[in-house]
Amino acid sequence: QVQLQESGPGLVKPSETLSLTCTVSGGSVSSGSYYWSWIRQPPGKGLEWIGYIYQSGSTNYNPSLKSRVTISADTSKNQFSLKLSSVTAADTAVYFCARATVVTTHFDHWGQGILVTVSS
Amino acid sequence: SYELTQPLSVSLALGQTAKITCGGNDIGSKNVHWYQQKPGQAPVLVIYRDSKRPSGIPERFSGSNSGNTATLTISRAQAGDEADYYCQVWDSSTDVVFGGGTKLTVL
Repeated sequence: QVQLQESGPGLVKPSETLSLTCTVSGGSVSSGSYYWSWIRQPPGKGLEWIGYIYQSGSTNYNPSLKSRVTISADTSKNQFSLKLSSVTAADTAVYFCARATVVTTHFDHWGQGILVTVSS
Repeated sequence: SYELTQPLSVSLALGQTAKITCGGNDIGSKNVHWYQQKPGQAPVLVIYRDSKRPSGIPERFSGSNSGNTATLTISRAQAGDEADYYCQVWDSSTDVVFGGGTKLTVL
């Protein structure tokens, strides 16, 4: 059974960089069958796709966040990570990591989510 | 960029049938997926590729997709179906797109 677990600081100061890690068990981030993704949800609002990493190297990002986002993978730890720079209060959200299938493009497994608050 | 439009809310009585729509330009040509999200929880996939149910999802959940509208249908609605529902597609120009979400209330 595939499991994903987010980890990282719950509080980040404005203008700093938000850094989160997703640890995967029961599956490999090196697999060519999946897009390993980050999705966020501001309090009381809808889901926003941030980006994904594929086969541990190829990435694609939401155009609205592209200039501030970096997603990378550490295959030795079976983890993938998110960095979001120059954060503001508008980046306060629950951040989910999730796995999407390449063939059918749906998200079949999600982490529980982690709330990150941007505040001084 | 590609956009998906959902009604903000749908209300119905216990036992009735709920239909939640997801509108998008020529959405019928895309694979549409649906997620259920309860408060404080991660989304759960309930329908993928327009009409397929993952294992463990009741048969009461079904989906259809044609033209400019995809529809999630929940038959014999139960109190436990109260949740937010999101549609999602993968678009060639913008990759992942989510609808704005629909709050389902079962009275």
